[in-house]
Amino acid sequence: TAGITQAPTSQILAAGRSMTLRCTQDMRHNAMYWYRQDLGLGLRLIHYSNTAGTTGKGEVPDGYSVSRANTDDFPLTLASAVPSQTSVYFCASSQDGLYGYTFGSGTRLTVV
Amino acid sequence: GQNIDQPTEMTATEGAIVQINCTYQTSGFNGLFWYQQHAGEAPTFLSYNVLDGLEEKGRFSSFLSRSKGYSYLLLKELQMKDSASYLCAVRDSNYQLIWGAGTKLIIKP
Repeated sequence: TAGITQAPTSQILAAGRSMTLRCTQDMRHNAMYWYRQDLGLGLRLIHYSNTAGTTGKGEVPDGYSVSRANTDDFPLTLASAVPSQTSVYFCASSQDGLYGYTFGSGTRLTVV
Repeated sequence: GQNIDQPTEMTATEGAIVQINCTYQTSGFNGLFWYQQHAGEAPTFLSYNVLDGLEEKGRFSSFLSRSKGYSYLLLKELQMKDSASYLCAVRDSNYQLIWGAGTKLIIKP
């Protein structure tokens, strides 16, 4: 089934450790996004990429980094996790950002 | 700053009609989206409005007034499976989506 695959589904991470959340899409969408979703706050953009080889900062980029080596993959890295990064993380993609976004199933991350 | 306002929670009865409102103040406007999100799942696309007026899609309709910075999502013939959160999002002048916090809709038998 075409779409976006995120891994892992959930993770408990010790504070100070690093982690990479994986995101892969097979729709050949140019634009990809990472959001975090916290209760009562809605979706907040962490980083985005309009096309392979380019990335940009969103609303809440601190503590996160991304790369976009090819069209399909858009990993999100936490260099040194802190408890405030406990959240549900969604990867999304869109064709040129002009149409609706397709979301992955999310990664539930708990930093302890 | 940019802001999207939606009611936090609404309750409706199975078979009835419910209207979920969304007001927005953003830097530019390039379309408004409604998404449905069931608990523990990813958001899924429902509707898109870029011009004023009503867009109808089956039991769901979405309305937009750009001059008022206002939209609503209308759900008819409510079913228990419609229990979910409904997210309003506006695409701003930079073509980034600004999201509301979502409205949790509870359907009662």
